[in-house]
Amino acid sequence: DTEVTQTPKHLVMGMTNKKSLKCEQHMGHRAMYWYKQKAKKPPELMFVYSYEKLSINESVPSRFSPECPNSSLLNLHLHALQPEDSALYLCASSYPGQGPGAFFGQGTRLTVV
Amino acid sequence: KNQVEQSPQSLIILEGKNCTLQCNYTVSPFSNLRWYKQDTGRGPVSLTIMTFSENTKSNGRYTATLDADTKQSSLHITASQLSDSASYICVVSRQAAGNKLTFGGGTRVLVKP
Repeated sequence: DTEVTQTPKHLVMGMTNKKSLKCEQHMGHRAMYWYKQKAKKPPELMFVYSYEKLSINESVPSRFSPECPNSSLLNLHLHALQPEDSALYLCASSYPGQGPGAFFGQGTRLTVV
Repeated sequence: KNQVEQSPQSLIILEGKNCTLQCNYTVSPFSNLRWYKQDTGRGPVSLTIMTFSENTKSNGRYTATLDADTKQSSLHITASQLSDSASYICVVSRQAAGNKLTFGGGTRVLVKP
């Protein structure tokens, strides 16, 4: 299994909703990442987990809350988002120290209304 | 400052023709350089990865080159197909801060019949 699986593929949520994005990999990678990508822009790093511990938070607003329940799963909890948070959210994984490697998920297209 | 610059920003080519995309970087200390293909609204898919000692890497009709002395890379697409229409992103990994990635702005390629 050489895939990073993200669910859902699409999500529309109101500004008062609470939702979660999920990411799963079974490649034995111990580093997992969340990126945010706006249209026609490169991905921007949000969070890095290494061995299930948060190692990098790129000054992301607290309305985004990451969680790494185990070495295969990564969640991104969303609450009180703004319309400008609408974007493609990408998950990636790698062996620690190697950067995100070659494995990105297909992304979740998030629209905040 | 760690930067990755890609050119051209966009490119239109006829099906069956070849094209070359450029990537210049100032990221230091260098770890590796990757080329990704990203279809609109989807996650990036790795095409090639090269370390300091490698100067060429092929993946089917895609051939990447790396000149670590001049800090330049290129991606050559041979006999383009309609399915090659996508954004191509050059990404350089730095040997520090958990191998943080620096993304180029991408080149949008449109292959016309």
